Amino acid sequence: GAGVSQSPSNKVTEKGKDVELRCDPISGHTALYWYRQSLGQGLEFLIYFQGNSAPDKSGLPSDRFSAERTGGSVSTLTIQRTQQEDSAVYLCASSFTALNEKLFFGSGTQLSVL
Amino acid sequence: SQQGEEDPQALSIQEGENATMNCSYKTSINNLQWYRQNSGRGLVHLILIRSNEREKHSGRLRVTLDTSKKSSSLLITASRAADTASYFCATDGVLRAGSYQLTFGKGTKLSVIP
Repeated sequence: GAGVSQSPSNKVTEKGKDVELRCDPISGHTALYWYRQSLGQGLEFLIYFQGNSAPDKSGLPSDRFSAERTGGSVSTLTIQRTQQEDSAVYLCASSFTALNEKLFFGSGTQLSVL
Repeated sequence: SQQGEEDPQALSIQEGENATMNCSYKTSINNLQWYRQNSGRGLVHLILIRSNEREKHSGRLRVTLDTSKKSSSLLITASRAADTASYFCATDGVLRAGSYQLTFGKGTKLSVIP
């Protein structure tokens, strides 16, 4: 696609529900990143994919968070049993390769947990 | 971690003035990048400077890098109201297990008053 696409753009959910956030990177980009940004804060690194594999998942905040990427393209970030502290903007970015490359960001998913 | 820290946290200037933002980081890097964010959503890449470069220009932007001091600065000349945004520096690093991470600071919020 022309840019990184994230869906939904906004998600309101009840505490305890599961949510799935989707990221469609730029075609041909092998590296994909998920970040979280709380209101007025910087970006918190969550996970990085090179192709379909994520060498290091230690950035995920808890075991309620999981992410996968299939076909070297679309990625989903799943949050199980959501908590109010999960409320944030979840940003996805992609780059042609990792290392020394600029990132292209999507517009993010604003998650609100009530 | 190799987190970059921007300084100042907030900056307010008159249109036409120059704006300078600083970034400090902790460990060796391959490159440092600057990004801009409007309205708390997707980030846009501004400029990438490699560790063997000292200065780089792009339009009204000038970035310097001092690896001995582990610091970088972003200068926006002849600022415009449209430059109002948050500006983030990002530093790269290779984590364990070959995972790559681009770490962002908390950002400088720039307000340009018409």
